[in-house]
Amino acid sequence: QSALTQPASVSGSPGQSITISCTGTSSDVGNYNLVSWYQHHPGKAPKLMIYEGTKRPSGVSDRFSGSKSGNTASLTISGLQAEDEADYYCCSYAGSSTYVFGTGTKVTVL
Amino acid sequence: EVQLLESGGGLVQPGGSLRLSCAASGFTFSYYAMTWVRQAPGRGLEWVSSISGSGGSTYYADSVKGRFTISRDNSKNTLYLQINILRAEDTAVYHCAKDGRYADPTTPPDYWGQGTLVIVSS
Repeated sequence: QSALTQPASVSGSPGQSITISCTGTSSDVGNYNLVSWYQHHPGKAPKLMIYEGTKRPSGVSDRFSGSKSGNTASLTISGLQAEDEADYYCCSYAGSSTYVFGTGTKVTVL
Repeated sequence: EVQLLESGGGLVQPGGSLRLSCAASGFTFSYYAMTWVRQAPGRGLEWVSSISGSGGSTYYADSVKGRFTISRDNSKNTLYLQINILRAEDTAVYHCAKDGRYADPTTPPDYWGQGTLVIVSS
């Protein structure tokens, strides 16, 4: 049950695109198309941004997109806005009805 | 609208116990697996435990196995987490979350509560 690896921080200027990686193993990210991404402002409830690797829930901006290659999933935020500044976590199903979260990435809008 | 409201957190001494509750509304509670996730101060999110929609199957992270017990009362739309033999490293905000699709835990959560803070300290 080792955490998925994410960069500690990513930053970009307004309007730019950034990508956050989430690296796991063949037992979790690489074995299932069941990666979700969450936006988390401390003190608030995490918000689902992407599910099943690439799908966006209703109401989430199309500036957010997800992808996966091998054991690494990625979240891309296009047209970065000040309101996107938050912590972002990936989460993958890891088999046997367990989940594993990423280490988290702090996104800063310069 | 899905709503999840946790309660029961507080300050407890090492070795003590607490029962956390999560009141759910806005969806058919028994249809979905439910999950507890915690976040220690300055740390990331950590999966703690999940339970099937019927309550008949439960799953735990190795770090809490044997000390924590997840349960649910579908007649009250409420999820519980009994936490025993508390340690300093259990200090965290505990979030309850609704799983994404099915009655068995297979899809990561889609809705979360704001959490309840548990502080373990003498």
